[in-house]
Amino acid sequence: KQEVTQIPAALSVPEGENLVLNCSFTDSAIYNLQWFRQDPGKGLTSLLLIQSSQREQTSGRLNASLDKSSGRSTLYIAASQPGDSATYLCAVCTSGTYKYIFGTGTRLKVLA
Amino acid sequence: GAVVSQHPSWVICKSGTSVKIECRSLDFQATTMFWYRQFPKQSLMLMATSNEGSKATYEQGVEKDKFLINHASLTLSTLTVTSAHPEDSSFYICSARSGAVFFGQGTRLTVV
Repeated sequence: KQEVTQIPAALSVPEGENLVLNCSFTDSAIYNLQWFRQDPGKGLTSLLLIQSSQREQTSGRLNASLDKSSGRSTLYIAASQPGDSATYLCAVCTSGTYKYIFGTGTRLKVLA
Repeated sequence: GAVVSQHPSWVICKSGTSVKIECRSLDFQATTMFWYRQFPKQSLMLMATSNEGSKATYEQGVEKDKFLINHASLTLSTLTVTSAHPEDSSFYICSARSGAVFFGQGTRLTVV
């Protein structure tokens, strides 16, 4: 059974810092991995999607990497801003079923 | 990108009543739709997988008689919470698959 864990659970940093969010999963038979952002009381905003054959994806200040063999992904946020404050969710899409299994989330607060 | 629309975006209902949530794929046909639930300050948990024209497959611990799922067409799946109680108050999100998987914006259900 796929399990997805995110570390840290919460993070508070001053504006301008570069930071790394971690995601680990137990079953490497994945179709893809996706990072989402969720603001309080809101739905999901897809940030980056990495196919199982890819190693990384970049969008603006965000970079996500995938090491399928070790069951790990990282989301790197450069030059963090207060507007980046949100919960970041890692989700793994299981091969064959297309079910997404979500991680526990990292609550990020960027202080001005 | 493809759009998945959920309706309503929020709903308040009285304890004991039933409420229906719609999930529509607006510009593509979805052979499979998924329903997730998110309790406050928790991550998303998969409830069921819905395939057009067949019965939904429920995850362990999800009551199929309480959460009725219908997927009568390739663009519409509905989730009906029957005899809702305050503990059913949650954020419900659907996703739809057409090659890739796309998420709706969620429905916040409050049972009073």
